[in-house]
Amino acid sequence: AQSVTQLDSHVSVSEGTPVLLRCNYSSSYSPSLFWYVQHPNKGLQLLLKYTSAATLVKGINGFEAEFKKSETSFHLTKPSAHMSDAAEYFCVVSPPGVDTGRRALTFGSGTRLQVQP
Amino acid sequence: GAVVSQHPSRVICKSGTSVKIECRSLDFQATTMFWYRQFPKKSLMLMATSNEGSKATYEQGVEKDKFLINHASLTLSTLTVTSAHPEDSSFYICSASVRSEAFFGQGTRLTVV
Repeated sequence: AQSVTQLDSHVSVSEGTPVLLRCNYSSSYSPSLFWYVQHPNKGLQLLLKYTSAATLVKGINGFEAEFKKSETSFHLTKPSAHMSDAAEYFCVVSPPGVDTGRRALTFGSGTRLQVQP
Repeated sequence: GAVVSQHPSRVICKSGTSVKIECRSLDFQATTMFWYRQFPKKSLMLMATSNEGSKATYEQGVEKDKFLINHASLTLSTLTVTSAHPEDSSFYICSASVRSEAFFGQGTRLTVV
């Protein structure tokens, strides 16, 4: 069984300041982990993914996340927030292996990021 | 990346009618597609797994007679909400995976009045 917990339902930052969105996972194996972003009434866009390669993963739009097995965490960070970053962010876990086409994803509850001017 | 197209993006229907939502993989074949439902300000919950050429697998608590899934080809899965009621109003999203990455449709905002 696997699960993912996003520790903050809402995060508010000022434009130009760092962003930290927290995610902890629970899995009986070494999972694949993802961060997705969803803008209002839109589908989901993949920000970055961890699939057992480098533990520090760089994604699009300046986001990155670090996989820490000892802490079972996969927090998302960005050095400087932009107004366009305001959206809903989901931490997602999937079983490992190449046949992920047949595996559904398990979503965290989401974190709404608000960016103040 | 691969493209998953979902149609329609928005639909308003009357109570008691049925609505069909299409999910297409445009540039790859998908033997498996997933349907998720998202309630307002909530996360995505898996409804069912759509398998090409066979019956869909539904998650616990999802009524298979209300949410009919058909996956007749390698590029198309449909979700039909039958006899819709206001409580079926939600955001529905499909996904398909290729090369170990999931791609999502744009979502369908269903409003039942």
